[in-house]
Amino acid sequence: EPEVTQTPSHQVTQMGQEVILRCVPISNHLYFYWYRQILGQKVEFLVSFYNNEISEKSEIFDDQFSVERPDGSNFTLKIRSTKLEDSAMYFCASARIQGSGYTFGSGTRLTVV
Amino acid sequence: SQQGEEDPQALSIQEGENATMNCSYKTSINNLQWYRQNSGRGLVHLILIRSNEREKHSGRLRVTLDTSKKSSSLLITASRAADTASYFCATDGIGNEKLTFGTGTRLTIIP
Repeated sequence: EPEVTQTPSHQVTQMGQEVILRCVPISNHLYFYWYRQILGQKVEFLVSFYNNEISEKSEIFDDQFSVERPDGSNFTLKIRSTKLEDSAMYFCASARIQGSGYTFGSGTRLTVV
Repeated sequence: SQQGEEDPQALSIQEGENATMNCSYKTSINNLQWYRQNSGRGLVHLILIRSNEREKHSGRLRVTLDTSKKSSSLLITASRAADTASYFCATDGIGNEKLTFGTGTRLTIIP
């Protein structure tokens, strides 16, 4: 069964450093998303991406965050200057059409120290 | 309560019993979905029910949706130890593709 692949599975970074979280969505999917889950809390929407541009973003997704689809397969989330409160599990998801079930990756656990 | 609240927060049952989890939401929705998350792992899509549907089945899963009460339930029949996980409902609105997740129900199946 097709999967969404995320790398790395765990990343530890110093506060203030830049991190790039990588995702390979399912190949025929057109809609791409990033969500995050702070330990013990709800899964929160960050951003959606379609047709090579951001279609929606949350208040969390401020100027420190950016997304890119640099080629036909990868979808990345960059955090420019990490803060302690950015520590969370980050999930990438993709969907073939809007309003269908998403396929989530297994997540990247980001720890900012 | 916030959009997407599940109850109970935690549920422990004996293997073989049925497990029922509920989800309430506040705003109009397009679809409601249920996801499973094993500890520290990713989210697995279980089932999607559209706003014009009232009930849906998939294997041992049965989902109901009552839009007048803004609530949904997930029933897992004949539970197994492997069903131990957290279960989340998630809604998306009309013209709004983002998913809003609930707080989750932690289900423990006792062998």
